[in-house]
Amino acid sequence: QVQLVQSGAEVKKPGASVQVSCKASGYTFTDYYLHWVRQAPGQGLEWMGRINTNSGGTNYAQKFQGRVTLTRDTSISTAYMALSSLRSDDTAVYYCARETGLITGDGFDIWGQGTMVTVSS
Amino acid sequence: SYELTQPPSVSVSPGQTASITCSGDKLGDKYVSWYQQKPGLSPVLVIYQDSKRPSGIPERFSGSNSGNTASLTISGTQAMDEADYFCQAWDSSAVVFGGGTKLTVL
Repeated sequence: QVQLVQSGAEVKKPGASVQVSCKASGYTFTDYYLHWVRQAPGQGLEWMGRINTNSGGTNYAQKFQGRVTLTRDTSISTAYMALSSLRSDDTAVYYCARETGLITGDGFDIWGQGTMVTVSS
Repeated sequence: SYELTQPPSVSVSPGQTASITCSGDKLGDKYVSWYQQKPGLSPVLVIYQDSKRPSGIPERFSGSNSGNTASLTISGTQAMDEADYFCQAWDSSAVVFGGGTKLTVL
């Protein structure tokens, strides 16, 4: 079945970096954009950016420009989100999500299970 | 930056119709998606392209979008529909989410 499986929970110290992976299965990885969305405890959804899994091209939310890097490895159908200079307010669940691909600028039909990243000294 | 505004909470009695709004400048010119999220779980797409339902989403979920307001309507609301709901749209190659609405079925 179509699914996105993310890497496990992380605990990091302030100032460190974190990388979360998202492995796709059940569909052709390079046919769909992948996005990253985060959710702080008790808060709403916040878009971080997206990657064209075919070309590797990226778009980032202005808030995260310079601190987030999205990459992919097509040989293993896996996307990565790296976030640097971590602060306590980066503590959140990080999701990868597949854009439907039906039209440009559509919704997200498949979501990963989420990865909890805790930033604490 | 573009903003989407949702009411923080909506209450509905079982079997009645729930309506959740999402407001934004000229939102009717954009496509809106809606997500349902239950505690501890990932969001689930329930409406895309304003009014389309993904396979597996019950017919009681419907959507509309016009002017500055998009709406998610749940007809014959069931206890299992109690969840947080988020609207989402695109603006200048960036994705924007509404703040979310907690739907209580009481």
